[in-house]
Amino acid sequence: AQRVTQPEKLLSVFKGAPVELKCNYSYSGSPELFWYVQYSRQRLQLLLRHISRESIKGFTADLNKGETSFHLKKPFAQEEDSAMYYCALKTGANSKLTFGKGITLSVRP
Amino acid sequence: EPEVTQTPSHQVTQMGQEVILRCVPISNHLYFYWYRQILGQKVEFLVSFYNNEISEKSEIFDDQFSVERPDGSNFTLKIRSTKLEDSAMYFCASSESRNTEAFFGQGTRLTVV
Repeated sequence: AQRVTQPEKLLSVFKGAPVELKCNYSYSGSPELFWYVQYSRQRLQLLLRHISRESIKGFTADLNKGETSFHLKKPFAQEEDSAMYYCALKTGANSKLTFGKGITLSVRP
Repeated sequence: EPEVTQTPSHQVTQMGQEVILRCVPISNHLYFYWYRQILGQKVEFLVSFYNNEISEKSEIFDDQFSVERPDGSNFTLKIRSTKLEDSAMYFCASSESRNTEAFFGQGTRLTVV
């Protein structure tokens, strides 16, 4: 069965500091990985997906199959990045998403 | 920009009562989903729906749950006899296809008392 692990619940950094939100997955096949973000009082929205290989709002994430990781990174955090971030996995056969527990990112001025 | 809409935003119900949570997916989307998030826990998949039938369901989605697309726009989740442990945020989502982005609604907070 697939599983997504986000080991930390909270990351608090100062504005301008680098950010790395960790995500590890467990799945024997070829997964598709996503990061979703939920800003305060807003809906879950897709931030990025590994197959796009693009940078959104300065965030990047690289799928490392050897380490089964998909960590989200940003070199210089901004206050508006404060939100809840969820890593999610989709397997080839299904359309459902398997989510991690999420991490709260707090960027202080 | 089109959005997935859920109503109500908050529902309080007594244990044992039936509840229906409503969702209006994005109009050209063909795949529909329900997820739930118990307070402090992860977002969990409940069910996916395509071509007027359930395509996949989780262990959580037992006989107490059902989904329906009663007309061309609504997608509902019914819980027949609510339990205290059904208290959670319920999210509806839709996507154009199996492989495209799922768009989420704002959620319905269900409180069972």
